[in-house]
Amino acid sequence: GDSVTQMEGPVTLSEEAFLTINCTYTATGYPSLFWYVQYPGEGLQLLLKATKADDKGSNKGFEATYRKETTSFHLEKGSVQVSDSAVYFCALRSDAGGTSYGKLTFGQGTILTVHP
Amino acid sequence: DVKVTQSSRYLVKRTGEKVFLECVQDMDHENMFWYRQDPGLGLRLIYFSYDVKMKEKGDIPEGYSVSREKKERFSLILESASTNQTSMYLCASSLIPGSYNEQFFGPGTRLTVL
Repeated sequence: GDSVTQMEGPVTLSEEAFLTINCTYTATGYPSLFWYVQYPGEGLQLLLKATKADDKGSNKGFEATYRKETTSFHLEKGSVQVSDSAVYFCALRSDAGGTSYGKLTFGQGTILTVHP
Repeated sequence: DVKVTQSSRYLVKRTGEKVFLECVQDMDHENMFWYRQDPGLGLRLIYFSYDVKMKEKGDIPEGYSVSREKKERFSLILESASTNQTSMYLCASSLIPGSYNEQFFGPGTRLTVL
């Protein structure tokens, strides 16, 4: 079945540091890939997405590129801020048909803490 | 502004109680989902519904049931709560399946079963 593996956390960085959170996946076909962010006390919200190989999703200074050859979708940001402290989830949606279409498979989440 | 609301942010129940978690969305979405979130395990799908009165089991349906009588409302039911159901429960909704359709999440209900 489908699966998503994220790098172990927690990740602790100083403000303005470079961020990478690794994400690799296993899926049949051509899934869509997502990064969701969960700020303290809130639900998840979509950060960025990519729907086909070599697509780059970007939002709020974060980027991730859909790499089919390495089955990866690593999240990067050049200069993190204290306000980026949150839990980040990598997820995929299978392109398989039927009523399971639209179901997301999540990684375990990575806690990011940014210090001033 | 799109919105998914959940009936409670925090809930404390006793073992054996019947528990109802309610979720309402105002976006006229066809799909609705219930997940539980546990540290180190990410989000795991309990049940989802792609239409009124329709439901499908997710990855961990045991001990749960759902009800969808109206398009905007999706309820998660714990028939007899147990301590291993202590968790954060997240509801989500989306349009009919499509590559560009994201899931919108509610704020979550943190359930503690004593």
